[in-house]
Amino acid sequence: DGGITQSPKYLFRKEGQNVTLSCEQNLNHDAMYWYRQDPGQGLRLIYYSQIVNDFQKGDIAEGYSVSREKKESFPLTVTSAQKNPTAFYLCASWDPSYNEQFFGPGTRLTVL
Amino acid sequence: AQSVTQPDIHITVSEGASLELRCNYSYGATPYLFWYVQSPGQGLQLLLKYFSGDTLVQGIKGFEAEFKRSQSSFNLRKPSVHWSDAAEYFCAVATGSNFGNEKLTFGTGTRLTIIP
Repeated sequence: DGGITQSPKYLFRKEGQNVTLSCEQNLNHDAMYWYRQDPGQGLRLIYYSQIVNDFQKGDIAEGYSVSREKKESFPLTVTSAQKNPTAFYLCASWDPSYNEQFFGPGTRLTVL
Repeated sequence: AQSVTQPDIHITVSEGASLELRCNYSYGATPYLFWYVQSPGQGLQLLLKYFSGDTLVQGIKGFEAEFKRSQSSFNLRKPSVHWSDAAEYFCAVATGSNFGNEKLTFGTGTRLTIIP
């Protein structure tokens, strides 16, 4: 079955540690996205990538970094510079056949 | 810059009653509009989308939405809600020049509660 996998579903880290969230897709989509979701704030775009080896900052990129070395993978690193990293993180890809964004199940990150 | 406003943070509806969730957008060009639904702790699922043509669009789970350019609105409706419709609903507008690999701007969401 085609889809987006985000692992793990729950992630706990100590303050000051970097952490990497995984996002893998087997949909053969070129464009991929990372969003952060906080209660009452909707989804905010962190980074996006339209093609391998290229990515752009979204609206709230500070304290985050990404890489896009393979079409299937778009990992997000939450660095210690991110002031308030506890949130729900969603990965998505763009389906050009149906003109819609397709979402993964999300990772809830809690920084203690 | 583009923006999406969902004025209702939380709506409570009785099972079997009709539903309308409001969405207003601000975008200079022709908007491409979406409604997504999210169950607690899950990802987002697309309900419906509008690109052009008929301004009344049908989606999954019995939902429909009407695009009104004069009011900059894209309200979501359902004639009779079921308990399983309880979720959070997000309106979004796509921004991009070539309609490929689009970025979406989301509203803050409306949480729907269904009472028996």
